[in-house]
Amino acid sequence: ELKVEQNPLFLSMQEGKNYTIYCNYSTTSDRLYWYRQDPGKSLESLFVLLSNGAVKQEGRLMASLDTKARLSTLHITAAVHDLSATYFCAVDATPSATGGGADGLTFGKGTHLIIQP
Amino acid sequence: EAQVTQNPRYLITVTGKKLTVTCSQNMNHEYMSWYRQDPGLGLRQIYYSMNVEVTDKGDVPEGYKVSRKEKRNFPLILESPSPNQTSLYFCASGGISSYEQYFGPGTRLTVT
Repeated sequence: ELKVEQNPLFLSMQEGKNYTIYCNYSTTSDRLYWYRQDPGKSLESLFVLLSNGAVKQEGRLMASLDTKARLSTLHITAAVHDLSATYFCAVDATPSATGGGADGLTFGKGTHLIIQP
Repeated sequence: EAQVTQNPRYLITVTGKKLTVTCSQNMNHEYMSWYRQDPGLGLRQIYYSMNVEVTDKGDVPEGYKVSRKEKRNFPLILESPSPNQTSLYFCASGGISSYEQYFGPGTRLTVT
């Protein structure tokens, strides 16, 4: 059974600081997703990482994937209040299938991030 | 506009009264899934479908049914809802030509 663990689960930080969210998973996969969720809203796709060593950046967020270590990180640089949200990583457990999520994704429990002025 | 729609968005019902939550996508996607989200547990997969007439259980299928008679639709059926099915439900779709997963807006279900 695929397990996906995120840490920390809760994070309160100040604006301007840097921090990293970690996502470990238990089985071989080279497809990893990061999502953002605001309260009462759906999931917003942030990054799709498709190979070992993949790195993607958007604004103050940068995600990376190490398939050998079964680890992905989401790094926040110079945090701002608007980045307050819950962040989920998710793993596609059927990398042999074409496309994404043929049998769905397995999610971590999420990291609830609060950024204070 | 490419989208996944769910109906209803909010539903309050009583124990044992059958209900259906509809999910529809307009992207001609092969893959569709249902998830439930509960505080502290993240999203857990209920059922998934790899194409028309092909469905399989996810991690928490008990008490739910699905069908995939058309490519665009993937309804979630609760034959006899119970209070432990009170949750936020998301439908998602994806295709063989893209790695993106598209999520619907969610359905908040309360069973009393």
